[in-house]
Formats: sequence, C-alpha cells, structure tokens
Amino acid sequence: EAQVTQNPRYLITVTGKKLTVTCSQNMNHEYMSWYRQDPGLGLRQIYYSMNVEVTDKGDVPEGYKVSRKEKRNFPLILESPSPNQTSLYFCASSLKVTETYEQYFGPGTRLTVT
Amino acid sequence: GQNIDQPTEMTATEGAIVQINCTYQTSGFNGLFWYQQHAGEAPTFLSYNVLDGLEEKGRFSSFLSRSKGYSYLLLKELQMKDSASYLCAVDGAGSYQLTFGKGTKLSVIP
Repeated sequence: EAQVTQNPRYLITVTGKKLTVTCSQNMNHEYMSWYRQDPGLGLRQIYYSMNVEVTDKGDVPEGYKVSRKEKRNFPLILESPSPNQTSLYFCASSLKVTETYEQYFGPGTRLTVT
Repeated sequence: GQNIDQPTEMTATEGAIVQINCTYQTSGFNGLFWYQQHAGEAPTFLSYNVLDGLEEKGRFSSFLSRSKGYSYLLLKELQMKDSASYLCAVDGAGSYQLTFGKGTKLSVIP
C-alpha cells in the first residue's frame, strides 16, 4: 500500500531532551516536507527536501533540523525541544519537484513538550 | 509574500449546497489546491486548479479566477461525513513550497 508513515504518533517529552520524529514514504517520491499545525495558524512548513541531500528552510525552521540521506526517509530532529514546539506535525511527500503534484500526508505526530 | 484568506467556520444543512471561498495574494502563482481534513487526521487531496474555470469531480467542484485571486470549493448534496476542515493552498511559482490558508471548519447539521 502506497503510504507515508510517521513515528511516533504521540510523544510527551520534557524541555531540552533531544528527539527525532521519523518519516518514510514507499512511493519513490522526490519531494518531502514537514509541517506543523497549530490552532488558528493552520499548516506551516518547517523544512522541505527536493531530493537526497537537498533540503531547504520553510516558513518556521527555527529549532528544527532535517536530513535526507535516503530518498524514502526524511526525519525531523528537535535538538532541544521547548514548550512552543508543542504541536501536531505532518510529514508529506509528492512525486516530483519540477511539476506540481498533490502532496500525500502522513498520519501526524502529536508532540507535547513540558 | 503570501496571504491566503478563508472563512474560519461555516455551517450547512445535510443535503444542501455550500460554497467555501478562498482569496489569495501571492508573489507567484502556479495553481491552487484544496484539501479536506477530518479532525485529528491528515489532510487529503481534493482538487488542483491551474486554469480559470470550474472543475467538477463528483459532488465536489472547484473554481479558480487567476485575475481576481479567488477560488471556491463547492460541495453539493452535503452529507454528515463532509463535516471537516477545508484547506486551500497556493502553489507559488518557483518556490517549491505550498502555502496553506488557515482552513475553514465546515459543520454539517441534520
């Protein structure tokens, strides 16, 4: 089944404890992206990747890191999480970068930082 | 910069028709997406408009006017399962990014 998977789905952590949220897609998509969704603010892009080893900042990159060492995986790293990073996170992927294709979203990761 | 506006909430009756508007002001424009998102779930693709005009897909239709910076999503024969948030998103030319509006929460009542 074609899908985007994220792990974990739910996470409660404490301020400053490094964490990684994994994202994997099995559709051989070039483009991958991370979003956060907060009430009243909608979906905002954190980072995106156009292919292996090619990443760029979105609209709200502060406090986050990403890497794209393999085409299928695009982990999101929070080196020192803070309470303002409490949010619902979505990973998404699409087939190509050069033409516009719909983005497929993972199921979401609900993160709480205390 | 990008500015995308949608109504925050709408309510409509089962079986009726509802139109959700989206206006945008963006520095570049390739096309406009509509996504549906049920509470606590991931957004799912509904439509993508590049050219002016109406595109119909079953009970859902989407309209675009590039010159007016305006789009709408039309839902016909509303069903209870259509209660969800509807997100419009602009595909900006050359930016490799999607910019989302804040979403419109639609409640369908019996």
